[in-house]
Amino acid sequence: QQQVKQSPQSLIVQKGGISIINCAYENTAFDYFPWYQQFPGKGPALLIAIRPDVSEKKEGRFTISFNKSAKQFSLHIMDSQPGDSATYFCAAGTPFAGTASKLTFGTGTRLQVTL
Amino acid sequence: NAGVTQTPKFQVLKTGQSMTLQCAQDMNHEYMSWYRQDPGMGLRLIHYSVGAGITDQGEVPNGYNVSRSTTEDFPLRLLSAAPSQTSVYFCASSSGSWAGELFFGEGSRLTVL
Repeated sequence: QQQVKQSPQSLIVQKGGISIINCAYENTAFDYFPWYQQFPGKGPALLIAIRPDVSEKKEGRFTISFNKSAKQFSLHIMDSQPGDSATYFCAAGTPFAGTASKLTFGTGTRLQVTL
Repeated sequence: NAGVTQTPKFQVLKTGQSMTLQCAQDMNHEYMSWYRQDPGMGLRLIHYSVGAGITDQGEVPNGYNVSRSTTEDFPLRLLSAAPSQTSVYFCASSSGSWAGELFFGEGSRLTVL
């Protein structure tokens, strides 16, 4: 049972366009929603994260939109660049739950930005 | 600055063999975890630890064993390898005793024949 559902599986965007990746979660106890970026042959790295007390967080060209009532959140990459080509993972978790602290990841989206 | 170091990077095993994937971090992080990455499945949590001497199971713990005797090291043991354990394994750590910003190693690719 996938607790965090991510779509699309793959995405092709032209340079300068907007890339949008969506995630939905089921567990209402989740209170931390990060996005990770992974390049081939490397481990994932934190890109941006949001807590449920805000509906949007922006860092440079990357924005998380969060809809608590719908249990959905999304990553928007503005002015997409070829260097953004990577696999993106959403995650959700209960990092502040003491010994039960853990993150659950989505299945990933392979983004390709073409010239 | 080494960060999270995983060894070996590549390993081929035969069914039934045992081995240990090593993970070491030099950031004095309390939280450490192991994930496996499979096509179409994303990253799935195997085991995690919020500090030395404390471990717990994740989503897919069967066939794996862990221990945490020091803050720096968190080895993952495969007791009797099976083809279903063919995967890329990632170790990750986080400051404090919580799964906040995870710092991942570069992965260990395991093939079980």
